[in-house]
Amino acid sequence: NAGVTQTPKFRVLKTGQSMTLLCAQDMNHEYMYWYRQDPGMGLRLIHYSVGEGTTAKGEVPDGYNVSRLKKQNFLLGLESAAPSQTSVYFCASTHGYEQYFGPGTRLTVT
Amino acid sequence: TQLLEQSPQFLSIQEGENLTVYCNSSSVFSSLQWYRQEPGEGPVLLVTVVTGGEVKKLKRLTFQFGDARKDSSLHITAAQPGDAGLYLCAGARGLVYAGGTSYGKLTFGQGTILTVHP
Repeated sequence: NAGVTQTPKFRVLKTGQSMTLLCAQDMNHEYMYWYRQDPGMGLRLIHYSVGEGTTAKGEVPDGYNVSRLKKQNFLLGLESAAPSQTSVYFCASTHGYEQYFGPGTRLTVT
Repeated sequence: TQLLEQSPQFLSIQEGENLTVYCNSSSVFSSLQWYRQEPGEGPVLLVTVVTGGEVKKLKRLTFQFGDARKDSSLHITAAQPGDAGLYLCAGARGLVYAGGTSYGKLTFGQGTILTVHP
């Protein structure tokens, strides 16, 4: 039981490049979330999903897209990376009260 | 707009001292959670408080939910170096999922970085 896993762990992009972050959970959770964490800002919700095939915008969705084609996977895409998207990205899934977080992806956009 | 204000942002204390972290909002939350995060890892849930006025204890940690469910506090007694990390409060306002298996979105505070000197 791996819980929530994220790939890659680190990534450096140039402005304008695209990439996809992958989140996978093996706990059969319905809800999944993508957050970004910046110093002094806590965790801010980017997008979330309440089930396979569904997605919804969170607090800071601009510049990101998501897909939930399979219940266990939640993908976060950056179509044209910008320096303002330099951050640590966390995926989470929920069961009851607790959100389970992945280890994070540190993304740097130069 | 930050709906949850957490204070202080930084806390540096000596081993054995007590400390309190506060989490305040003008909004009512259906539940309030506290997470702890260590460098290079994701947050891990410490506790969830649901009822106004509720107090929960986890060894040397005491969590309280305000009567009006707008604020919460985390008190650590006799802090140890192993308590160091980033502490995050998070409020839930979303509806319980129809299937009863999950909760709504969370709003996080800015976090408190705790350093405990031996």
